[in-house]
Amino acid sequence: AQKVTQAQTEISVVEKEDVTLDCVYETRDTTYYLFWYKQPPSGELVFLIRRNSFDEQNEISGRYSWNFQKSTSSFNFTITASQVVDSAVYFCALSEARVVSLYGQNFVFGPGTRLSVLP
Amino acid sequence: EAGVAQSPRYKIIEKRQSVAFWCNPISGHATLYWYQQILGQGPKLLIQFQNNGVVDDSQLPKDRFSAERLKGVDSTLKIQPAKLEDSAVYLCASSLLALRDRSYEQYFGPGTRLTVT
Repeated sequence: AQKVTQAQTEISVVEKEDVTLDCVYETRDTTYYLFWYKQPPSGELVFLIRRNSFDEQNEISGRYSWNFQKSTSSFNFTITASQVVDSAVYFCALSEARVVSLYGQNFVFGPGTRLSVLP
Repeated sequence: EAGVAQSPRYKIIEKRQSVAFWCNPISGHATLYWYQQILGQGPKLLIQFQNNGVVDDSQLPKDRFSAERLKGVDSTLKIQPAKLEDSAVYLCASSLLALRDRSYEQYFGPGTRLTVT
């Protein structure tokens, strides 16, 4: 069965520090997708990144970067020079093919990491 | 572009009562999802629709929960009768057509916060 682990329940940093959020996943599929979502205090989940299992290139988007390593089944997320507005709960998620159907995906979220960035 | 709309935003009911939530996905999104998010946890997928057909409802407690997407656009999720443990935020999301080997990012609505007393 698929599983996503985010071992860090809560992290606090001071503004301008770098912070890395860990995500470890389990799947038996060779084709799967990984996602990161941000849930700010307002509650609405915001999509950050989607990565498929065949693309192990790291990605950088402004202050955000993602490190995908299939060898360790990890998809870690780093925020550089953190800001107070980065305070939120961050979720890692995994989707994999559904064996029984041509459509849809099995989708599971991790438990989330609450990041607090202090001024 | 309009996002995913949900209503109501908040609902308080007593146990054993019934409740319904409504969702309008992003135009053109064939796949619609309903999630339950209990406080302090990640969202849990309840049901997934492809157009107006159910793709996966394996985690939906079918003795009390039901959902439909009659015309392949709007969807409703119903709980009848509600239990205390149903207190949670119910999130609706939509995406482009999700295939067996192709997944797309989901766009979420603001959610409905349900309190069962």
